[in-house]
Amino acid sequence: GAVVSQHPSWVICKSGTSVKIECRSLDFQATTMFWYRQFPKQSLMLMATSNEGSKATYEQGVEKDKFLINHASLTLSTLTVTSAHPEDSSFYICSGGGYTFGSGTRLTVV
Amino acid sequence: AQTVTQSQPEMSVQEAETVTLSCTYDTSENNYYLFWYKQPPSRQMILVIRQEAYKQQNATENRFSVNFQKAAKSFSLKISDSQLGDTAMYFCAFMPPGAAGNKLTFGGGTRVLVKP
Repeated sequence: GAVVSQHPSWVICKSGTSVKIECRSLDFQATTMFWYRQFPKQSLMLMATSNEGSKATYEQGVEKDKFLINHASLTLSTLTVTSAHPEDSSFYICSGGGYTFGSGTRLTVV
Repeated sequence: AQTVTQSQPEMSVQEAETVTLSCTYDTSENNYYLFWYKQPPSRQMILVIRQEAYKQQNATENRFSVNFQKAAKSFSLKISDSQLGDTAMYFCAFMPPGAAGNKLTFGGGTRVLVKP
């Protein structure tokens, strides 16, 4: 079945810095991948749709300049949280191949 | 826009017993997919079961089965012979058909606690 690898599993960064999260499809080619955000004890909320070779599609209320998405190849999508603030601390998880998820990234901004 | 509702925030069950989680959804689509995911403390999203709306037969996966009522837009999950390892958050999810159909809409989740 489809396997999605996500790195890093957790990251701590200082306010004002940028953090990149990678999502790789290991055994399939992903023209589309999805990025979700999950706050503690809440459900997953779609942030954006990552499209290979074109611009990402962001959900309403998600800052495009804050959450930069790049999908330069059929096996790699990246989410960069720019100028991170403590309120950006959350669990970020990607999916591809229909309904397969990466293992998620716990981001803590201090 | 589709919406998914899980009306039970938390449920507890004794080991070896059965628990049923409810899920309702709202859509104008005729063909779509429904999912149940398990999210243990590791927060990995684990696919439990999948149902295609055009299939009348309810999906089953070992101890997990669903009761899919398309007309009522209901998609409940039954966990039989509950085990301690079933303790987790469970999310119901909806996926529309089509090229953009991989976008999932999740319910709010139900926390299941299996007691020894």
